[in-house]
Amino acid sequence: DAGVIQSPRHEVTEMGQEVTLRCKPISGHDYLFWYRQTMMRGLELLIYFNNNVPIDDSGMPEDRFSAKMPNASFSTLKIQPSEPRDSAVYFCASSLRRVNTQYFGPGTRLTVL
Amino acid sequence: SQQGEEDPQALSIQEGENATMNCSYKTSINNLQWYRQNSGRGLVHLILIRSNEREKHSGRLRVTLDTSKKSSSLLITASRAADTASYFCVFSSGAGSYQLTFGKGTKLSVIP
Repeated sequence: DAGVIQSPRHEVTEMGQEVTLRCKPISGHDYLFWYRQTMMRGLELLIYFNNNVPIDDSGMPEDRFSAKMPNASFSTLKIQPSEPRDSAVYFCASSLRRVNTQYFGPGTRLTVL
Repeated sequence: SQQGEEDPQALSIQEGENATMNCSYKTSINNLQWYRQNSGRGLVHLILIRSNEREKHSGRLRVTLDTSKKSSSLLITASRAADTASYFCVFSSGAGSYQLTFGKGTKLSVIP
């Protein structure tokens, strides 16, 4: 398996623009997690899904952030409108129900100017 | 899920030396995991130890778990420059606990 795939790897955008980050989990995994990592706050869980259903989105910072998982092999994290303070590395991870070891993607480095 | 507290926050050693990182927690756990993150990369799962295990080995890694002291340690023997990374411990507690909360980690620097 190719592991968790994220795209794009780097994104530079201007304040106010919409940003969409994409994730393909490992095939067969039924949990998907979105994290954000910054120097100040470390690694924060934003939202996670089980069988494509959002379970806990309490970590989503505000209404500008939204996440979807239309099927078992694809998820998106959208920021609209983006702000400079959204600049961070965003990670997607997936895991299998029986074992809660998480497999991380390479991350998307987002810079909002 | 709860957050582990890693100690020290930063550690610098010479190549070939052993590196020991510690982790403490506050409540009962099901299992404990250690992850590594190289700079600019995603986290990689290293090892999982269950609450009924006291020690586990994987290559140059040795993890111990002391549930009476609510602590764990990760030992990397014969360190290499490639071991330079941040190391995180994560605990799982309660049934159906699929959510992991990561702490700040220990930043290990191995000097060639």
